[in-house]
Amino acid sequence: AQSVTQLGSHVSVSEGALVLLRCNYSSSVPPYLFWYVQYPNQGLQLLLKYTSAATLVKGINGFEAEFKKSETSFHLTKPSAHMSDAAEYFCAVTLLSGGYNKLIFGAGTRLAVHP
Amino acid sequence: GAVVSQHPSRVICKSGTSVKIECRSLDFQATTMFWYRQFPKKSLMLMATSNEGSKATYEQGVEKDKFLINHASLTLSTLTVTSAHPEDSSFYICSARAGTPQSTDTQYFGPGTRLTVL
Repeated sequence: AQSVTQLGSHVSVSEGALVLLRCNYSSSVPPYLFWYVQYPNQGLQLLLKYTSAATLVKGINGFEAEFKKSETSFHLTKPSAHMSDAAEYFCAVTLLSGGYNKLIFGAGTRLAVHP
Repeated sequence: GAVVSQHPSRVICKSGTSVKIECRSLDFQATTMFWYRQFPKKSLMLMATSNEGSKATYEQGVEKDKFLINHASLTLSTLTVTSAHPEDSSFYICSARAGTPQSTDTQYFGPGTRLTVL
């Protein structure tokens, strides 16, 4: 069955430093993968998604993710962190179950950005 | 991106009462809607999936008589927590998607509803 594992429940970086949030997936079929961001007391906002068109996916707010089949990974990166990037980030994979394609989320990674 | 709204954003109720949460897709037809529950500092747990005009499909362990879901139109789904108890206190988030049930189109999320049961 499809699943995602996010390594590191908390990541802390300095402002201007590289952001790297890790996500590994397990899927018996070619996966559709997503990264969402959640700010406090808000819903989720889509950062980017992989649908097999290109392995390097660019998203909003300067984020990008690379699909690596050999490593079953879909890590999220941003070259230079801003204070406003502090949030919870979720990796997700689609799962076809009960006739529906559903999103299965990882446990989330809380990103802290300090001056 | 598409916009999904939820109402109310916060609700406090007494134990034993019922609470209804609305989820609306404002600028697209949501053929499929999803309801999630999120505990503090935890990930999202899918509760149920619904197609417009059909009965909702509940995930294992979710009481369908307690969490009533109605998806009466292509823009509106409601979640009613019946006879709420303190353990039902949580952050409830809806999500909406166009296309067929098997679609892999983007799911758009509402801002969430914080339910507190006293």
